[in-house]
Amino acid sequence: RKEVEQDPGPFNVPEGATVAFNCTYSNSASQSFFWYRQDCRKEPKLLMSVYSSGNEDGRFTAQLNRASQYISLLIRDSKLSDSATYLCVVNGIGGSTLGRLYFGRGTQLTVWP
Amino acid sequence: DGGITQSPKYLFRKEGQNVTLSCEQNLNHDAMYWYRQDPGQGLRLIYYSQIVNDFQKGDIAEGYSVSREKKESFPLTVTSAQKNPTAFYLCASSFSPGANQPQHFGDGTRLSIL
Repeated sequence: RKEVEQDPGPFNVPEGATVAFNCTYSNSASQSFFWYRQDCRKEPKLLMSVYSSGNEDGRFTAQLNRASQYISLLIRDSKLSDSATYLCVVNGIGGSTLGRLYFGRGTQLTVWP
Repeated sequence: DGGITQSPKYLFRKEGQNVTLSCEQNLNHDAMYWYRQDPGQGLRLIYYSQIVNDFQKGDIAEGYSVSREKKESFPLTVTSAQKNPTAFYLCASSFSPGANQPQHFGDGTRLSIL
């Protein structure tokens, strides 16, 4: 089983729509969670960290459900500039995985006018 | 400006040739990482280093080598033993790995076979 699994996508939504991405992780002891954004042929960039209580940054809301080992990202009022691939990322928790981050394969979002 | 610098942006390798990708950071980060990304695929970890003069193999280390002689620098050599080197190579760094900090990426090197 992969450490991080994401919705395969692609998601194609009109401007102004609300879209949600989901992600599950395999190690219940993981402590740190992130969403990254990757534009075509560019490097991944940190979008936001995900905290236990859930957190919001403008139009973006991240939620963590530890019991279900599930992370989500909600984007409200989608903009054309939100078109990208969104990567779910989870930390390794010890031993040989300490210091490692595990990246999902990403969910592609296209926002159309 | 603080950041991670990868060079070159594009690199071509001939058969039987070793090539070295450069990664330098001035963020004072302890940990550095090398990933490979193939089209439509996720990031795969090649090597990582949590401290100077120490590094560990990732999931796909065969055909690659690294060194970490300075905190700021973590070069990756793609050896002739790597038979399918064409990919997008990304270097990343983070603060102390035990703190599970996010990683910050350079803008990558695209390697192709001539």
